[in-house]
Amino acid sequence: QKEVEQDPGPLSVPEGAIVSLNCTYSNSAFQYFMWYRQYSRKGPELLMYTYSSGNKEDGRFTAQVDKSSKYISLFIRDSQPSDSATYLCAMSAAREGAQKLVFGQGTRLTINP
Amino acid sequence: NAGVTQTPKFQVLKTGQSMTLQCAQDMNHEYMSWYRQDPGMGLRLIHYSVGAGITDQGEVPNGYNVSRSTTEDFPLRLLSAAPSQTSVYFCASNPGGGWGTQYFGPGTRLLVL
Repeated sequence: QKEVEQDPGPLSVPEGAIVSLNCTYSNSAFQYFMWYRQYSRKGPELLMYTYSSGNKEDGRFTAQVDKSSKYISLFIRDSQPSDSATYLCAMSAAREGAQKLVFGQGTRLTINP
Repeated sequence: NAGVTQTPKFQVLKTGQSMTLQCAQDMNHEYMSWYRQDPGMGLRLIHYSVGAGITDQGEVPNGYNVSRSTTEDFPLRLLSAAPSQTSVYFCASNPGGGWGTQYFGPGTRLLVL
């Protein structure tokens, strides 16, 4: 069983829809939780990160962490065609920081105009 | 700043050949890492470095060597290429100090025949 599980999709939604992306994990030592966005043939770029449990909002994006359920989510409101990309969740234990990330498989998202 | 740069962009190797993937960053980051990305597997950590002269293994280190003689450069060496090493390789850096944004390079696509 992988430490981090993410539905690879693909996920296709109409423009303006609310998108929900999710990951589950098994390692209770994970403390840092991140979402990366990766456009085709590009490197991943950090979208949001949270430490421990709770919610974080940044514009149209909201990240949620539920450590009791070992479940994290990314919500995209008012989705745009420019949001079409692969979204990767990533996590690390506190002692290892950002240099030893464990990634999910990535979910390919398409927003249709 | 150029950020994280990688060369070459694309490479074809024959089984048994060796080569070095180059990675450089101009942000004076202490921490650098190498990941490989395979379909359905997400990104997996190969090797990482927490400073010049200090390297350590990640999740999938076999068949790869690294060294870190300067803060700026972190080359990845394939000792004897195998078809299983066909992948997209990403180099990343972050400022360190426990937590920091991970910046990824554009990637090197490697095909081993």
